Amino acid sequence: DSGVTQTPKHLITATGQRVTLRCSPRSGDLSVYWYQQSLDQGLQFLIQYYNGEERAKGNILERFSAQQFPDLHSELNLSSLELGDSALYFCASSGGQGRGFYEQYFGPGTRLTVT
Amino acid sequence: AQSVAQPEDQVNVAEGNPLTVKCTYSVSGNPYLFWYVQYPNRGLQFLLKYITGDNLVKGSYGFEAEFNKSQTSFHLKKPSALVSDSALYFCAVRGGPNVDSNYQLIWGAGTKLIIKP
Repeated sequence: DSGVTQTPKHLITATGQRVTLRCSPRSGDLSVYWYQQSLDQGLQFLIQYYNGEERAKGNILERFSAQQFPDLHSELNLSSLELGDSALYFCASSGGQGRGFYEQYFGPGTRLTVT
Repeated sequence: AQSVAQPEDQVNVAEGNPLTVKCTYSVSGNPYLFWYVQYPNRGLQFLLKYITGDNLVKGSYGFEAEFNKSQTSFHLKKPSALVSDSALYFCAVRGGPNVDSNYQLIWGAGTKLIIKP
């Protein structure tokens, strides 16, 4: 158990809809990262937050947005969903007080299916 | 530009034989290197890292990796493979502290390791 939690585990929705994925980082970690993993593909970095502020953006679509709240949990919002958005979405965290910003610890992921 | 290459999509090894999963990198400054494993329908698990010091790094589940600066490689190894080692393995790199990388990791495409009984 990495200490990173994600909800829900599975999500099935229709094209055009909007969903919200939630992530709670390891206790004390300040950075949260979101990744997308499509079938038979590697990890695509979407976005990083550090202590509530956006720190870096990767290949995140304009239809997607994220935020990190004062309690450090994060949400990834996906809107106007398309079939191609079906994927595993992972959250990872790192960099707590007194910790190095080294390895990231991953949650179990949310499997999104768009029909 | 920073990059990571895992040149093999798949590696097949017989149980009990040694295994190697290859990783090469390109990064400015001193690299921070990582290996992760992903079992089916699971999140990624951290295996080991190289930050500084001894070039041979030992990690979880009997895995180790050797940092080779001249060859810019960080290959993952295990002396005797188990069927349970079958999984997807990812190599990642981050530029060292003198590089403003925002703590992002650059990920390889992954290598599927299949251990046959």
